[in-house]
Amino acid sequence: NAGVTQTPKFRILKIGQSMTLQCTQDMNHNYMYWYRQDPGMGLKLIYYSVGAGITDKGEVPNGYNVSRSTTEDFPLRLELAAPSQTSVYFCASSYKDSNQPQHFGDGTRLSIL
Amino acid sequence: QKEVEQNSGPLSVPEGAIASLNCTYSDRVSQSFFWYRQYSGKSPELIMSIYSNGDKEDGRFTAQLNKASQYVSLLIRDSQPSDSATYLCAVTLRGSSNTGKLIFGQGTTLQVKP
Repeated sequence: NAGVTQTPKFRILKIGQSMTLQCTQDMNHNYMYWYRQDPGMGLKLIYYSVGAGITDKGEVPNGYNVSRSTTEDFPLRLELAAPSQTSVYFCASSYKDSNQPQHFGDGTRLSIL
Repeated sequence: QKEVEQNSGPLSVPEGAIASLNCTYSDRVSQSFFWYRQYSGKSPELIMSIYSNGDKEDGRFTAQLNKASQYVSLLIRDSQPSDSATYLCAVTLRGSSNTGKLIFGQGTTLQVKP
């Protein structure tokens, strides 16, 4: 049972480059989330989705885009990487809304140089 | 005022002692409360969820919720070195611009010394 799978685990980008962080879940969860965690800090919600075709902004959406074409996949896109986006990114999912426990992937550690 | 606040610590306790972790939140109508444990370099894992006032026990862990005072706590009995981690409090808010979203505190680092 894979749960929530994120790829890649590590990535180094140059300023201005773009990339997509992949997230897939096999639990048939409707809700999916993207968080970022800066050193010594809690998690900040970037974007979330309540189902295929529906996405909405979280606390810190600037500089990111998302799409949700299937229940399983929720990729996060960085268009013009900036040093402030250096962080660890976690994808999570839950069966229903955020009143339900969220299951996290292992994270993607991203450095922008 | 932060919406969810925790003392960053570190909180240091001897092995076998009770560790008490506290969290306060700003939204009086929040409904769902979670404690996650995060080991260094790893992802958060759910330890406890609590939805109504009072205590909820699961093994060595007890979550306590007091909505009137807007705090939630986590007690770890018989603390073990393997409990050394960062504990994240998370609250689903109802009365702010972040309504419906799960908001995390910055986490409390617990160190259990043998």
